[in-house]
Amino acid sequence: ETGVTQTPRHLVMGMTNKKSLKCEQHLGHNAMYWYKQSAKKPLELMFVYSLEERVENNSVPSRFSPECPNSSHLFLHLHTLQPEDSALYLCASSQDRARKNGADEQFFGPGTRLTVL
Amino acid sequence: KQEVTQIPAALSVPEGENLVLNCSFTDSAIYNLQWFRQDPGKGLTSLLLIQSSQREQTSGRLNASLDKSSGRSTLYIAASQPGDSATYLCAVGSRGSGSRLTFGEGTQLTVNP
Repeated sequence: ETGVTQTPRHLVMGMTNKKSLKCEQHLGHNAMYWYKQSAKKPLELMFVYSLEERVENNSVPSRFSPECPNSSHLFLHLHTLQPEDSALYLCASSQDRARKNGADEQFFGPGTRLTVL
Repeated sequence: KQEVTQIPAALSVPEGENLVLNCSFTDSAIYNLQWFRQDPGKGLTSLLLIQSSQREQTSGRLNASLDKSSGRSTLYIAASQPGDSATYLCAVGSRGSGSRLTFGEGTQLTVNP
């Protein structure tokens, strides 16, 4: 595997279900991100992890819970979602060189298409 | 709060034409600017990254420029091909631990054979 991978690629869930999205990066990066892409809206940053520490959550509802067990893996745990949460969820990674400066080029995975019924 | 605008929202051109996509941003205190391509239902492919200290970057038929003082970037595509058809996204990076990208809504490009 190369680059950034995401599983599953498609997910349909009911509002009472609990599911998790998985992201893995094979680039040796130390920062990972979750983005949400809804129809007719720009990509929205949800979470940032740098060196496995969450540094940004951008006021995301608590029904979305991220987990970063190591620098290569990132999860997004989902529970009690709403239909408006249906979207493409994208994971990205980058090398955060100095933590006090912005990181460099971000590389994205293919996304998970989530549908909440 | 940084806001990013891309014009036009959609563009249709005949094959072989040179074209320019525009991106503007409201806060000039940026760390970098990245152009992406997104095919329908797919993830983002990074095209070019311009650091705030740079004025332009080139990759093949693509050239991106950055004018921080005026809050603008352009993506120039030379000799367009049908395979260039996609949505092009501009994203502005701000300073902080981990990069914070603010995205525009994109320009949907169609290159007709």
